[in-house]
Amino acid sequence: NAGVTQTPKFQVLKTGQSMTLQCAQDMNHEYMSWYRQDPGMGLRLIHYSVGAGITDQGEVPNGYNVSRSTTEDFPLRLLSAAPSQTSVYFCASSYGGQGLPLHFGNGTRLTVT
Amino acid sequence: AQTVTQSQPEMSVQEAETVTLSCTYDTSESDYYLFWYKQPPSRQMILVIRQEAYKQQNATENRFSVNFQKAAKSFSLKISDSQLGDAAMYFCASPSNTGNQFYFGTGTSLTVIP
Repeated sequence: NAGVTQTPKFQVLKTGQSMTLQCAQDMNHEYMSWYRQDPGMGLRLIHYSVGAGITDQGEVPNGYNVSRSTTEDFPLRLLSAAPSQTSVYFCASSYGGQGLPLHFGNGTRLTVT
Repeated sequence: AQTVTQSQPEMSVQEAETVTLSCTYDTSESDYYLFWYKQPPSRQMILVIRQEAYKQQNATENRFSVNFQKAAKSFSLKISDSQLGDAAMYFCASPSNTGNQFYFGTGTSLTVIP
């Protein structure tokens, strides 16, 4: 049981490049989400999904795209990277519903130059 | 949107002593949950403790306990007998009523002095 697995751990991009951050969970969680962590700002929700085929925007969705074709996977796509997207990204999952804690991946540190 | 405020960017504590990290929140819900997460230098996000708002009793997990003041919308984390491994960033979090969005505070960086 690996939990939530994120790849890569580190990534450097040039402005305008695209990439996909991968996230997979093996806990049969319906709910999956992406957060970004910036100094002095805590974690902010980018996108989330309550099940396969269902996604919705969070607090800071601009510049990011997601899809959920399976229960296990929830990739985050940066279509045209910008320096403002330099951050640490976390994927998190849960069974869904209020009161249940999030299970986090180990994060991806992304630098856009 | 809900707001979560952590007013202490940095705290320090002597090893074996007790420290309290503050958190205040704002929600219009009558029934809700609150969480504390720990983020050590490894960057991993680790659940420390959870509190259910309708429960009068403060949650406790070993050396970690909360002081939950519902009327004041305050949710402090007390760490007793502090250990070097407690050094980390601590985040307070409040989920939306559906649980689909967690609102995090800006974090408190805790240093444990040997």
